Amino acid sequence: TQLLEQSPQFLSIQEGENLTVYCNSSSVFSSLQWYRQEPGEGPVLLVTVVTGGEVKKLKRLTFQFGDARKDSSLHITAAQPGDTGLYLCAGAGETSGSRLTFGEGTQLTVNP
Amino acid sequence: EAEVAQSPRYKITEKSQAVAFWCDPISGHATLYWYRQILGQGPELLVQFQDESVVDDSQLPKDRFSAERLKGVDSTLKIQPAELGDSAMYLCASSLEETGDLAGFYEQYFGPGTRLTVT
Repeated sequence: TQLLEQSPQFLSIQEGENLTVYCNSSSVFSSLQWYRQEPGEGPVLLVTVVTGGEVKKLKRLTFQFGDARKDSSLHITAAQPGDTGLYLCAGAGETSGSRLTFGEGTQLTVNP
Repeated sequence: EAEVAQSPRYKITEKSQAVAFWCDPISGHATLYWYRQILGQGPELLVQFQDESVVDDSQLPKDRFSAERLKGVDSTLKIQPAELGDSAMYLCASSLEETGDLAGFYEQYFGPGTRLTVT
C-alpha cells in the first residue's frame, strides 16, 4: 500500500509570511498532484509534476518534485488570507494506473 | 469552463434509509471516480469507472454501497441502508485518458461534493 505523509498537519500564520508544506512517501510516483480545498467544496487542482527534480511556479506558489519522485513540497511566498484552505497532495503510483493516493492534507490558515 | 456536476449538495437522512448521489463528469472524460472524505482527512477512493465498466471497487463496502454508470456518462452512488458512520463528503471526479507526452498525468477534476449527514 502506498502512503503519502503530509506535514505539518496544521499551520496558522500571519499574512505576509512564507511557508512550506511537505509530502513524503517511501514509494515512487509516476506523477504527483497538489490540490487546494475550501470548506464545503471539492478539491481544486493546482499543479501536476511528473519529472524528478521538476519545479513549477504558479504566481506565489512554488512546487517541487523530488529527484527520486518520492516526495514533493509546496512553498508559498507572502501568504494571503485567500490562501487559507486544505492543501492535499496525491500521487499516481508507477503500477496503479490512474488511481491516486491522497495525503491527509495540511490545513493552512492565514490570518490578516 | 467545463465542470463536474454533483447533486444534491447536501443530504440529511436517518439511519437505515436509502440515499443516492448523482454525478455528471466533464464531457469526454472516460474515467469517473467516487471518493469519500471524512472531515479533515484526504479523500478515499470508493470506486473507479472506465466508461461503463468498474475498474476498481476494492474499497467499496459492497454490502451497503452500490455504484453504476450505465451509459458510460453520468453515474449514481447508492447507500442502503445508511449508517451513522457514513456521514461524510462524497466527491465525484473525472479524468481524461492522457496519451503521448501527457501520458501519466492522470489529472482528476472534482465536483463540489455531496455532504451527507446520517442521523
